[in-house]
Amino acid sequence: DAGVIQSPRHEVTEMGQEVTLRCKPISGHNSLFWYRQTMMRGLELLIYFNNNVPIDDSGMPEDRFSAKMPNASFSTLKIQPSEPRDSAVYFCASLHGFRTGTDTQYFGPGTRLTVL
Amino acid sequence: DAKTTQPTSMDCAEGRAANLPCNHSTISGNEYVYWYRQIHSQGPQYIIHGLKNNETNEMASLIITEDRKSSTLILPHATLRDTAVYYCIVRVAGGTSYGKLTFGQGTILTVHP
Repeated sequence: DAGVIQSPRHEVTEMGQEVTLRCKPISGHNSLFWYRQTMMRGLELLIYFNNNVPIDDSGMPEDRFSAKMPNASFSTLKIQPSEPRDSAVYFCASLHGFRTGTDTQYFGPGTRLTVL
Repeated sequence: DAKTTQPTSMDCAEGRAANLPCNHSTISGNEYVYWYRQIHSQGPQYIIHGLKNNETNEMASLIITEDRKSSTLILPHATLRDTAVYYCIVRVAGGTSYGKLTFGQGTILTVHP
């Protein structure tokens, strides 16, 4: 299995531009998570989906951030407009099933976003 | 979910056992202890988890005290590739928080030659 795939791996953009990050979960996994990691705040959960439905988006920082999961094999995280404080590494993770307490998440390699 | 406390950093000699402690004194009966690690510039990686019994897999062992208020992750023969940030996470089982992980600051483990 190829694992969780994220693209692009690096993104440099200017303030005000739209940024779209992409994630392909492991085949057969039905939950998907988006995280953001910065030096100041560490790893933060932004939003997660179960069976393509958003379950908890309380970690999404503001309306500039949106996430979609149109099907079981693809998700996007969009920032519009982007700001320098959005610079971070964004991770996507997936897991299979909801077996209580025994589920484990598999993380992608991350997208390093720099907003100038 | 219960809060965890870990040392900020630890050192270990290559080939020796690395013992990483975690305090979770407010853990509830239905909460599991999970360990993940993050090697520099990579995504976090699952290591092991447990409820009340000690657990072992090909990567590590997890020792949970009888009162479940603390645990220790053991890497039996640390290598340079084990240098990473190690996260101890306690999470409630089931409910609307299924799958949700809350990462703290973790322990920076440095393995020396």
